[in-house]
Amino acid sequence: AQSVSQHNHHVILSEAASLELGCNYSYGGTVNLFWYVQYPGQHLQLLLKYFSGDPLVKGIKGFEAEFIKSKFSFNLRKPSVQWSDTAEYFCAVLRSSGSARQLTFGSGTQLTVLP
Amino acid sequence: EAGVTQFPSHSVIEKGQTVTLRCDPISGHDNLYWYRRVMGKEIKFLLHFVKESKQDESGMPNNRFLAERTGGTYSTLKVQPAELEDSGVYFCASSQAGSRETQYFGPGTRLLVL
Repeated sequence: AQSVSQHNHHVILSEAASLELGCNYSYGGTVNLFWYVQYPGQHLQLLLKYFSGDPLVKGIKGFEAEFIKSKFSFNLRKPSVQWSDTAEYFCAVLRSSGSARQLTFGSGTQLTVLP
Repeated sequence: EAGVTQFPSHSVIEKGQTVTLRCDPISGHDNLYWYRRVMGKEIKFLLHFVKESKQDESGMPNNRFLAERTGGTYSTLKVQPAELEDSGVYFCASSQAGSRETQYFGPGTRLLVL
């Protein structure tokens, strides 16, 4: 069975600090990975995604993630966070079986950035 | 381009009542998904439509939940009768056909069963 683990449930940083959120997955098929973000009062938005090719993926708002196959990881990084990055972050893996699709999400990481 | 919309945004009902949630996907998206997040836990898959056909409903909790997608456009998710443990946020997402699809999410419906 596939699963996604986000080990950090709540992260608190000061502005300008660097961010790394951990994500480990367990899935035996072709790996398609996503990071979504939910800002307060808003809906889930896609930050970035990995399907194939360059394992270093760049997304919106200065975020990036690195797919490390040997470690089953897809950690999210940002060199310098801003107060506006306060949100909940979700890692997800896409499971495909024929034409059926479903995302399996991690439990989410709440990021609080202090001004 | 309009995003995925969901109605209502909030619903408060009593145990035993019926509630129907609606999702309008992005125009032209054949794939429509329902997910649920209960009490701050993981967002969990409920089911997947391709056009009007249920492709995968392995995540539906039990037969109190019924999802439909008439004509392959909007979808409804009915809970009848609602139980306390059904409280949570119900998300809808849609995507275009294709192997490298990205799912775009709606704002969710927050359901509270008292």
